[in-house]
Amino acid sequence: DVKVTQSSRYLVKRTGEKVFLECVQDMDHENMFWYRQDPGLGLRLIYFSYDVKMKEKGDIPEGYSVSREKKERFSLILESASTNQTSMYLCASASSGSLMNEQFFGPGTRLTVL
Amino acid sequence: DAKTTQPPSMDCAEGRAANLPCNHSTISGNEYVYWYRQIHSQGPQYIIHGLKNNETNEMASLIITEDRKSSTLILPHATLRDTAVYYCIVREYNTDKLIFGTGTRLQVFP
Repeated sequence: DVKVTQSSRYLVKRTGEKVFLECVQDMDHENMFWYRQDPGLGLRLIYFSYDVKMKEKGDIPEGYSVSREKKERFSLILESASTNQTSMYLCASASSGSLMNEQFFGPGTRLTVL
Repeated sequence: DAKTTQPPSMDCAEGRAANLPCNHSTISGNEYVYWYRQIHSQGPQYIIHGLKNNETNEMASLIITEDRKSSTLILPHATLRDTAVYYCIVREYNTDKLIFGTGTRLQVFP
């Protein structure tokens, strides 16, 4: 079975802390994505990666960075967390080869920044 | 910005067909229509996609109008487990990006 896992389901951090959100997929997918989901705004793309050590900005990259050192792992980093980064964070992966390949999503991490 | 418009909510009786509409009047000729759904507390799940022709799989059917300006997702026999938010997405050509809107919250009732 296809699987995308995220390191935590719930996370509470303080303003100014550095936050790491980890995502691991076991499908040997080349492409990985980070989204955030907020009420009334749907899902918005933060960053994505087509290959190891490669990254592309999505629609809302400000305040975030990413790391892809291994094919199966894609990390989202909040260098200095702020209250407006309180959100649900969703990771997804997809195989390359066809641009129409479906994205498989993890269960999400609900981050609260106090 | 999302290129689709969906009603915010719909109800459907269990066992009946659920028909979820989507408008995408600015779709380009080489853009596909995708549908995902998100059940409470879970990540989105792929349902189906299409370009011009109607499509059917084990989960649903997708009907796209001839001018491609709108589409309808059909769940033929809705169950309580189909209660979810359904997202209609126009997939940007030549990238893997999915741009989600706010979706339709489908409530299936007994």
